[in-house]
Amino acid sequence: GAGVSQSPSNKVTEKGKDVELRCDPISGHTALYWYRQSLGQGLEFLIYFQGNSAPDKSGLPSDRFSAERTGGSVSTLTIQRTQQEDSAVYLCASSSGVGTDTQYFGPGTRLTVL
Amino acid sequence: AQRVTQPEKLLSVFKGAPVELKCNYSYSGSPELFWYVQYSRQRLQLLLRHISRESIKGFTADLNKGETSFHLKKPFAQEEDSAMYYCALQYSSASKIIFGSGTRLSIRP
Repeated sequence: GAGVSQSPSNKVTEKGKDVELRCDPISGHTALYWYRQSLGQGLEFLIYFQGNSAPDKSGLPSDRFSAERTGGSVSTLTIQRTQQEDSAVYLCASSSGVGTDTQYFGPGTRLTVL
Repeated sequence: AQRVTQPEKLLSVFKGAPVELKCNYSYSGSPELFWYVQYSRQRLQLLLRHISRESIKGFTADLNKGETSFHLKKPFAQEEDSAMYYCALQYSSASKIIFGSGTRLSIRP
């Protein structure tokens, strides 16, 4: 079946603009994660959705970052007033949400803020 | 707070040599631990998990609660093992998964 997909694959924007990144998880997966992957920084947890529970937003670096998950499926990560330090690869992952289970990662969106 | 530490950013070994990628965690309970791998131009994917106690591609990892470590080992490295390796921790079911900063493994021919 189809894996996790993300769009766009690449996004170049100007400092100060808003961007939206999309994630389509594996069908039926109730858990969805967003991470940021920067050179030398590893994988930085951003936000976690699990079913109908309130999302764990503890990793969002500032109030310029927000995320939604509509209908328990597709998720959108929004970065407002982008800064150059926001440049990174943004990864989405989903899992079945049952117990401690395997995460399946998308290909990522490479964001470049000029 | 829960934390995963991978002290080596880069590890370079010769083909056929043993490999050990270090991972330490800070959590007082009984977490679930994972190793994820990202090969060049591929997606991040699960390599192995503590609960399965399995060997994947010749790699094993043992959880040492006393030392709070989950080091990844392979007795004889192969060139195709070159990749980025991440250690990860999940402290309970339905909780977020935290990753270390990763170790780039380079196998020299």
